[in-house]
Amino acid sequence: SYVLTQPPSVSVAPGKTATITCGGNKNAIKSVHWYQQKTGQAPVLVVYDDADRPSGIPERFSGSKSGNTATLTISGVEAGDEADYYCQVWDSTSDYVFGPGTKVAVL
Amino acid sequence: QVQLQESGPGLVKPSQTLSLTCTVSGGSISRGGYHWSWIRQHPGKGLEWIGYIYYTGDTYYNPSLKSRASISVDTSNNQFSLRLTSVTAADTALYYCARDKGVWGGLDVWGQGATVTVSS
Repeated sequence: SYVLTQPPSVSVAPGKTATITCGGNKNAIKSVHWYQQKTGQAPVLVVYDDADRPSGIPERFSGSKSGNTATLTISGVEAGDEADYYCQVWDSTSDYVFGPGTKVAVL
Repeated sequence: QVQLQESGPGLVKPSQTLSLTCTVSGGSISRGGYHWSWIRQHPGKGLEWIGYIYYTGDTYYNPSLKSRASISVDTSNNQFSLRLTSVTAADTALYYCARDKGVWGGLDVWGQGATVTVSS
């Protein structure tokens, strides 16, 4: 089955840049989506198809991909960015797969 | 603006069937172009995709839940539903419904979630 790995946590000071990686256990990770989930709230799509942003998502959120690793970058981190972030892909054998999530703490 | 709302019993007994409905407002399920997904989140844990349905009734399921999960659609009431049979305490979770833009689009609209506890 397809497995995604993410760092459990990332700490970042306000105004700095947070980087969250998402690695796949197969070659060439497919189209990656990223979700932000604040405490007690439903997830929100912040990046889709590797690097596109839904309307209403600040430009501070950006995505990239290289090989079997995708990256979500949050520039100019704000206190309100503190949340869990999940990556998600589609795989032909597992269908939709989520990563384990990364807790972003704003110092 | 499309909104989704889950509804259903918050407490289910072990071995029984969990049933949840997602009501879609602000847009028609029958419009096409979207799948309609169910996702769950165990307490303090990550997200687990359960399955999705297209308005035509075509369904796809997480292989680990395929034998117990069933998703149906009611286009006349703009709803889709989840049934999960033979539940155990391991099915206690927060269940979300979401609009699904497909492989390249992600899950772009989510309901607020419905907590289901499996307990006698």
